[in-house]
Amino acid sequence: GAVVSQHPSWVICKSGTSVKIECRSLDFQATTMFWYRQFPKQSLMLMATSNEGSKATYEQGVEKDKFLINHASLTLSTLTVTSAHPEDSSFYICSARDFGVAGGVNNEQFFGPGTRLTVL
Amino acid sequence: DQQVKQNSPSLSVQEGRISILNCDYTNSMFDYFLWYKKYPAEGPTFLISISSIKDKNEDGRFTVFLNKSAKHLSLHIVPSQPGDSAVYFCAASLTSGTYKYIFGTGTRLKVLA
Repeated sequence: GAVVSQHPSWVICKSGTSVKIECRSLDFQATTMFWYRQFPKQSLMLMATSNEGSKATYEQGVEKDKFLINHASLTLSTLTVTSAHPEDSSFYICSARDFGVAGGVNNEQFFGPGTRLTVL
Repeated sequence: DQQVKQNSPSLSVQEGRISILNCDYTNSMFDYFLWYKKYPAEGPTFLISISSIKDKNEDGRFTVFLNKSAKHLSLHIVPSQPGDSAVYFCAASLTSGTYKYIFGTGTRLKVLA
């Protein structure tokens, strides 16, 4: 159980285009999903916290108009990188928190396999 | 400002020996800590966690120790196996509010056969 999927697993796009990445919790409901970015040989940096039915909360330094997050249902959150540029090339990872253990001791996030974005 | 740090970027250990990975944090409000294992181009995989009300948690070959006064935690892997070779991240969290994780910088573990 507790499987999170991401689609696509990799994408190559031209500079200036927009790219949408989907994150799905397959066997549980996730009121909260998180989006991370990882540059090569660096840590996972939290970009934003996505709550179902409300606006995402962005971390300091992350442009909300560039990284659009939608969390329309308890099993799906999307990240859209708008007007992508080469510096946006990175590994994007989502995670989901199991609604069933919300507030409990088991404060575990389940991570998706990641999406490799390359902007040419 | 890096709130969670792993000062050793890499570690090599002989198969069968103990691997000790360290993690330090600065925010005393963190009350839940986790260790994740990660392979390149994959998402992190949960290993073990510990609440701040405990100082030790064990799961098979993995043991996490927490020293709140020193704001330090460590992951012990005994015995180490070649399949343990990966990048290990510690993460700190608050069990309130957004429950977001702050990840450490990672330690690349290489277990030599």
